[in-house]
Amino acid sequence: QQPVQSPQAVILREGEDAVINCSSSKALYSVHWYRQKHGEAPVFLMILLKGGEQKGHEKISASFNEKKQQSSLYLTASQLSYSGTYFCGTSDSGAGSYQLTFGKGTKLSVIP
Amino acid sequence: KAGVTQTPRYLIKTRGQQVTLSCSPISGHRSVSWYQQTPGQGLQFLFEYFSETQRNKGNFPGRFSGRQFSNSRSEMNVSTLELGDSALYLCASSPRDRGYNEQFFGPGTRLTVL
Repeated sequence: QQPVQSPQAVILREGEDAVINCSSSKALYSVHWYRQKHGEAPVFLMILLKGGEQKGHEKISASFNEKKQQSSLYLTASQLSYSGTYFCGTSDSGAGSYQLTFGKGTKLSVIP
Repeated sequence: KAGVTQTPRYLIKTRGQQVTLSCSPISGHRSVSWYQQTPGQGLQFLFEYFSETQRNKGNFPGRFSGRQFSNSRSEMNVSTLELGDSALYLCASSPRDRGYNEQFFGPGTRLTVL
């Protein structure tokens, strides 16, 4: 089942912070976050695993609440380059499964 | 390292035809996954190949198939094209050798079915 992302869209001024949420009705093993700019390929941001392991870019932070099957992506001191659509992809299978179910995305626009 | 490459970048076909899309992963990556992206459904997983074996398959009809070669390059085929198959087809590669790894996406093939 497709995870639900919120908000669907957000507009920020440079320097402001934002939180993007991803919620699933299924017990999750992992959550993956990607950003896609218009006309470009999705770019990896972060993986969060059940048990607390995380792997991602230094300037990106995220959380994973296993009990609630929720993940949040924290964007602080936003820059113009943060604009794009953010997708969370979830997996309820264990390690070894790359079958991700993606949310519909959150469109983030950062303005000067 | 060169990134993931996909060919062709754009394709126009008519209903009933078949199409083959190609994906070359990053050198050393053994896993290739395919996704369909549409405005209505978003990113949907098609299948994943690792060492020439299909490891996972999404919920798509049998008209969608794929394969992986010994050099990790992958192809996906769609037979008997339908209008609803118009989409951006993305492939992503991953090392898949230390548990979970990030996936690196290619630029995609934009398929239009008329």
